Amino acid sequence: SQTIHQWPATLVQPVGSPLSLECTVEGTSNPNLYWYRQAAGRGLQLLFYSVGIGQISSEVPQNLSASRPQDRQFILSSKKLLLSDSGFYLCAWTGPTGAKQPQHFGDGTRLSIL
Amino acid sequence: AQSVTQPDIHITVSEGASLELRCNYSYGATPYLFWYVQSPGQGLQLLLKYFSGDTLVQGIKGFEAEFKRSQSSFNLRKPSVHWSDAAEYFCAVGAYSSASKIIFGSGTRLSIRP
Repeated sequence: SQTIHQWPATLVQPVGSPLSLECTVEGTSNPNLYWYRQAAGRGLQLLFYSVGIGQISSEVPQNLSASRPQDRQFILSSKKLLLSDSGFYLCAWTGPTGAKQPQHFGDGTRLSIL
Repeated sequence: AQSVTQPDIHITVSEGASLELRCNYSYGATPYLFWYVQSPGQGLQLLLKYFSGDTLVQGIKGFEAEFKRSQSSFNLRKPSVHWSDAAEYFCAVGAYSSASKIIFGSGTRLSIRP
């Protein structure tokens, strides 16, 4: 069966520090991968999605970036975190046909910026 | 581009009462529609989905939703809620023309009155 792993579960970082959140999927190949951010009490904001290795689409201009070095690995990064980067970050995957398939979510990373 | 509106930010119902959560979408063709549930601090779990065919779809945990093209709606219902249904509920829409993106509504928080 397919599983998705996201880590770390919680992270506290100072303003200006770098960030790396990792997401991996097991049990499937060529998934579509997604990064969302959920601010407190708000909905999900799509940050990035990827349909293949090295293919990244950015939805919102910001100081975050994403990379997909392997088929089932998706990384969210920042060189210098801002206070506004605080939130709950969720990784998700679907099968290759994308929007017709339900998304499967990881358990999320709670990021707090001090 | 597709969009989703969940007009109710927070709803409180009594345990055992019926529930209806509203969702309106905007898309020119037949959309792919989803309802997800999120417990605090966790990822999202798929409740049900609609692609085509019967406009009344059944999901997990006793939930159902009805697709009404004329009203551009996909409301979620449950005949009798349980205290464990307290959570955040998200409606989402995917579009055939956008092979990879799914857009989420801002969510409705459901509280259960004992």
